[in-house]
Amino acid sequence: AQKITQTQPGMFVQEKEAVTLDCTYDTSDPSYGLFWYKQPSSGEMIFLIYQGSYDQQNATEGRYSLNFQKARKSANLVISASQLGDSAMYFCAMRDLQTGNQFYFGTGTSLTVIP
Amino acid sequence: SAVISQKPSRDICQRGTSLTIQCQVDSQVTMMFWYRQQPGQSLTLIATANQGSEATYESGFVIDKFPISRPNLTFSTLTVSNMSPEDSSIYLCSVEDRVEISNYGYTFGSGTRLTVV
Repeated sequence: AQKITQTQPGMFVQEKEAVTLDCTYDTSDPSYGLFWYKQPSSGEMIFLIYQGSYDQQNATEGRYSLNFQKARKSANLVISASQLGDSAMYFCAMRDLQTGNQFYFGTGTSLTVIP
Repeated sequence: SAVISQKPSRDICQRGTSLTIQCQVDSQVTMMFWYRQQPGQSLTLIATANQGSEATYESGFVIDKFPISRPNLTFSTLTVSNMSPEDSSIYLCSVEDRVEISNYGYTFGSGTRLTVV
């Protein structure tokens, strides 16, 4: 069964606008972590933001924020004030903290920022 | 957070040959992970490399095709053997990072973009 679902294969956003990248997840474990990574065309995977399942507040890191809706099992990434350098693939990932080191990745969303 | 140096960053190889990818971490880590990312796809875990023991391979990956070495706590290599065009992918190593990512996440190397012709 799909653990992480990213339903948007590609997204476009105007420079300086905000954009939301969707991510839903599936787990029965009460303890898990949710991550977003950015992969530019160079291929490296860059960690952006983390949300723990017990965190009461939504995570924020600079222009990145995570809209965590636990009951709906969604962890959407919000990028504010988009920049041209934000054009990249974005992957949502989850780790079930009670089942060891397995990391589950979504299929990714390709974001293009339009000048 | 951990810093991983991965090389080569890219290579173009002839089919039937082998390529060894190296990852050097700036701190000692128990486990290192090797991932493959085929074109347009997500990441797939190949194997987990522990120092002093055989690597643990995921379903669909075998040691003869992807031998792994882990001679110490800061270094690992992945070899892609007897390559075919289907092996063209980005290969990434990663380590569990317990310093910056709230104790639960992973840091990745910069990736090796392999093209087999």
